[in-house]
Amino acid sequence: NAGVTQTPKFQVLKTGQSMTLQCAQDMNHEYMSWYRQDPGMGLRLIHYSVGAGITDQGEVPNGYNVSRSTTEDFPLRLLSAAPSQTSVYFCASSYQVEGYNSPLHFGNGTRLTVT
Amino acid sequence: DAKTTQPNSMESNEEEPVHLPCNHSTISGTDYIHWYRQLPSQGPEYVIHGLTSNVNNRMASLAIAEDRKSSTLILHRATLRDAAVYYCILRVNTGTASKLTFGTGTRLQVTL
Repeated sequence: NAGVTQTPKFQVLKTGQSMTLQCAQDMNHEYMSWYRQDPGMGLRLIHYSVGAGITDQGEVPNGYNVSRSTTEDFPLRLLSAAPSQTSVYFCASSYQVEGYNSPLHFGNGTRLTVT
Repeated sequence: DAKTTQPNSMESNEEEPVHLPCNHSTISGTDYIHWYRQLPSQGPEYVIHGLTSNVNNRMASLAIAEDRKSSTLILHRATLRDAAVYYCILRVNTGTASKLTFGTGTRLQVTL
């Protein structure tokens, strides 16, 4: 198993550009989520999904878009990049089954710089 | 989701036990207590979780207060590799949406 795979590892964007951060998991997890982490801070939830076709907003959703067309993939789209979106982005997944409490599995992160 | 409160930082000597506290006074009956840690320049990794009873695994032990309003992560013999930020979060045991939020965690420093 590869676990949770995030691509790219590093990205530099100019203000106003758009891009998609990729996240894929091969564990058949229903739950997937995106967090951002800024220097000296904890993780803040951007968007999450409990299954294909279902997404919802987290704490800081503005400027980001998600979709979940398959169980395996949960891409995060930056519609028009801003310097405030410079951050490290983590994708995480887990089972989401009634009566079973599953730990989160994290990817290794994407470091994004917006100039 | 219910909130958790942790100290910003703690220090420990190598080879000594470490007790990392977490307060979660608004915990619900179906909330599980999860602990994760984040090593420098890495994504968070799962450490342990529990509901009511104390739990042990190869990484750590989790002691849960009888009223479940607090818990303690116990590293039995800290090593330099345990230096990390430790996060305590609550997760609902349900098939519906889990809006998991992390706080700023406790930064553990381990010295020789």
